[in-house]
Amino acid sequence: NAGVTQTPKFQVLKTGQSMTLQCAQDMNHNSMYWYRQDPGMGLRLIYYSASEGTTDKGEVPNGYNVSRLNKREFSLRLESAAPSQTSVYFCASTVLAALQETQYFGPGTRLLVL
Amino acid sequence: SQKIEQNSEALNIQEGKTATLTCNYTNYSPAYLQWYRQDPGRGPVFLLLIRENEKEKRKERLKVTFDTTLKQSLFHITASQPADSATYLCAPYGDDKIIFGKGTRLHILP
Repeated sequence: NAGVTQTPKFQVLKTGQSMTLQCAQDMNHNSMYWYRQDPGMGLRLIYYSASEGTTDKGEVPNGYNVSRLNKREFSLRLESAAPSQTSVYFCASTVLAALQETQYFGPGTRLLVL
Repeated sequence: SQKIEQNSEALNIQEGKTATLTCNYTNYSPAYLQWYRQDPGRGPVFLLLIRENEKEKRKERLKVTFDTTLKQSLFHITASQPADSATYLCAPYGDDKIIFGKGTRLHILP
């Protein structure tokens, strides 16, 4: 039981390049979330998926797209990376479709955009 | 706008003493509040949840209080150990959203 896994662990991109961050959970959770964490800032919600087939915007969705591929997997795509998207990205999941539940986090993806 | 404040400075505590971390919130009426621990290079890990109708919650050496009048939660670690050194995040939930504080870095000195 690996919990929440994220790939890649590290990535360096040039401005304008695209990439997809992958997230998977093996806990049979219904809801999944993408956060970014920047120095001096709290975790900020980018997008979430309350259940398979649904996605909703969070606090900072601009410049990102998401796909809930199936119940296990939730990907985050940067179509045209910008230096402002340099951050650590965390995926999380909860049992039910509610932000208020205990969140299980992945190990994070560290992204540097040059 | 809603605001969560945690001690911005790192907290240094001698091993064996009680560490107390503060979480204040404004323009917000959370139904409950969670505390998470985050180690360098890792994702946050859930520790405790306290609801608005609970004054205090305990789990082993951890204790959380929730004062809705003061709009504050306190997180205590008793008999602190160097292994407790980490960043601790508070995360109130209300108005259909959860907001994470910036966290307090705690150093337990041997």
